[in-house]
Amino acid sequence: EDKVVQSPLSLVVHEGDTVTLNCSYEVTNFRSLLWYKQEKKAPTFLFMLTSSGIEKKSGRLSSILDKKELFSILNITATQTGDSAVYLCAVGSDRGAQKLVFGQGTRLTINP
Amino acid sequence: EPEVTQTPSHQVTQMGQEVILRCVPISNHLYFYWYRQILGQKVEFLVSFYNNEISEKSEIFDDQFSVERPDGSNFTLKIRSTKLEDSAMYFCASSEQGFGEQFFGPGTRLTVL
Repeated sequence: EDKVVQSPLSLVVHEGDTVTLNCSYEVTNFRSLLWYKQEKKAPTFLFMLTSSGIEKKSGRLSSILDKKELFSILNITATQTGDSAVYLCAVGSDRGAQKLVFGQGTRLTINP
Repeated sequence: EPEVTQTPSHQVTQMGQEVILRCVPISNHLYFYWYRQILGQKVEFLVSFYNNEISEKSEIFDDQFSVERPDGSNFTLKIRSTKLEDSAMYFCASSEQGFGEQFFGPGTRLTVL
């Protein structure tokens, strides 16, 4: 059975800190790993990673994938209160229409 | 920026009733999905849909569930006879390609009494 595990489950930091969120996975016929930010309702797409070792970056957020060790990290530098959210990791496998398997999420709280 | 929309935002129904949840995917997307999230739990895959047929479905997606693309824009999820355990947030998503990033709608919160 495909599995995605995120850690930590919860993280509280001060504004300006840097955080690293972890995602490990076991999936048959891995195709891609996606990161989403979930604030109140819909998961909002952040990154999709398919290749090992290539960092994806968007502003203060960056992510990298290690297909050998089966994990990914999401880094957020100079955190702001608006970064407070649940961050979801999801993995897609090599099928015709991609089913995503989600982790349980990391709840990140940024205190001013 | 194009987005996935869903209606209604909240639906309350009695156990045993039929509900239809509606979604309008992003217009040039070809792959459509339904997921659900029970309060406090993971987002779970229900079904994927491409070229007017189901591509894959999960164990959750039993005979009580069905999906349809009745016209060129809407994508619906029907639950024939709702149970208490169907109470959840239901998300529709769409993607341009089968292996591309999926974009999620705001969700429909279904409450079964």
